[in-house]
Amino acid sequence: EAGVTQFPSHSVIEKGQTVTLRCDPISGHDNLYWYRRVMGKEIKFLLHFVKESKQDESGMPNNRFLAERTGGTYSTLKVQPAELEDSGVYFCASSQTTYTGELFFGEGSRLTVL
Amino acid sequence: SQQGEEDPQALSIQEGENATMNCSYKTSINNLQWYRQNSGRGLVHLILIRSNEREKHSGRLRVTLDTSKKSSSLLITASRAADTASYFCATEGSNDYKLSFGAGTTVTVRA
Repeated sequence: EAGVTQFPSHSVIEKGQTVTLRCDPISGHDNLYWYRRVMGKEIKFLLHFVKESKQDESGMPNNRFLAERTGGTYSTLKVQPAELEDSGVYFCASSQTTYTGELFFGEGSRLTVL
Repeated sequence: SQQGEEDPQALSIQEGENATMNCSYKTSINNLQWYRQNSGRGLVHLILIRSNEREKHSGRLRVTLDTSKKSSSLLITASRAADTASYFCATEGSNDYKLSFGAGTTVTVRA
């Protein structure tokens, strides 16, 4: 069974440019989460999808970040325009049920904004 | 805001020794989980302990939970070089189901 896959693994962009990160969850997992880790600090929650609906987007930093989940399958996280402080590793995770506890993580997308 | 906070930030031990790291949190929880991240990889779930449990074992891992002190510990016994990784605690709040992570403990096991 394929795990959570994320693309790209690393992206380097200039400040002001746009980047789109993609996450493919484990097949059949309704719950999809985005997290971010900046500069070795804590891993912070960004948002949570249940199927195609945003269940909780309380962690989204500002309106430069837009997350979508087309048809309840893969998800994209777009940063537009990117700022220096957006640099970090963006993790996607999925789970079968909301209260199951365990999340299955992808390997992350490292974003470097110059 | 950060819910879980690991201590120490970094730990270096000799192969065969035990490694202990701690996690403190702030609000009431449904469960507490530990994850491992090898360099450049994703987080891997290690163990989950529920709020009504006090201790749990999985292979060489032992987790304790003290809800009165809002703290947990992870013990790795007989460490191996392959245990070199960052370890994160994550709490699922009783009023807020999403997982909140700390900044992690970086463990280096020397051969």
